[in-house]
Amino acid sequence: DSGVTQTPKHLITATGQRVTLRCSPRSGDLSVYWYQQSLDQGLQFLIHYYNGEERAKGNILERFSAQQFPDLHSELNLSSLELGDSALYFCASSSRQGWTGELFFGEGSRLTVL
Amino acid sequence: QQQVKQSPQSLIVQKGGISIINCAYENTAFDYFPWYQQFPGKGPALLIAIRPDVSEKKEGRFTISFNKSAKQFSLHIMDSQPGDSATYFCAASSAYSGAGSYQLTFGKGTKLSVIP
Repeated sequence: DSGVTQTPKHLITATGQRVTLRCSPRSGDLSVYWYQQSLDQGLQFLIHYYNGEERAKGNILERFSAQQFPDLHSELNLSSLELGDSALYFCASSSRQGWTGELFFGEGSRLTVL
Repeated sequence: QQQVKQSPQSLIVQKGGISIINCAYENTAFDYFPWYQQFPGKGPALLIAIRPDVSEKKEGRFTISFNKSAKQFSLHIMDSQPGDSATYFCAASSAYSGAGSYQLTFGKGTKLSVIP
């Protein structure tokens, strides 16, 4: 158990809809990362938050947004969903003592867009 | 642009054999090279990592070999076991544009199957 909690584990929705994925990092970890995992693209970095502030953006679509709240949990919002958005979405947190190079991943939220 | 290229995409090895997965990178600013292991239904987890000041690191049956001049690194799994069947991701890390963000760039993964 990594200590990172993601909900929901599975989500099925229709094209055009909006969903919110939630992540609780390990206790005390200030950094939250979001990754998208698809069969053909592997793990794609989406966005990084540190203590409530956005620090870096990767391959995140404009239809997607995220935020980190004062209690350090994070939400990834996906809107105007398309079939191609079907994927596993992982949240990860990193050490409260600064960058050690290790990310602790949750078990992911599997999104299916029909 | 894929910054970390991983091969092969899939690998089948007999129990007791050696599994070898290769990665190549382009960005010379990368300064940390981990391997992550992912079992079905789980998130990736750190397996072993190396920094570019050493050419090899061994932990149990797992060894990373690193070639800085060639910008390549590889994972060797000795005496492969069925329990090693998983997807393996290589990754590389550097600071992101000086914004105080460190992140991992992952390869596309190798699905390893160890057959009895």
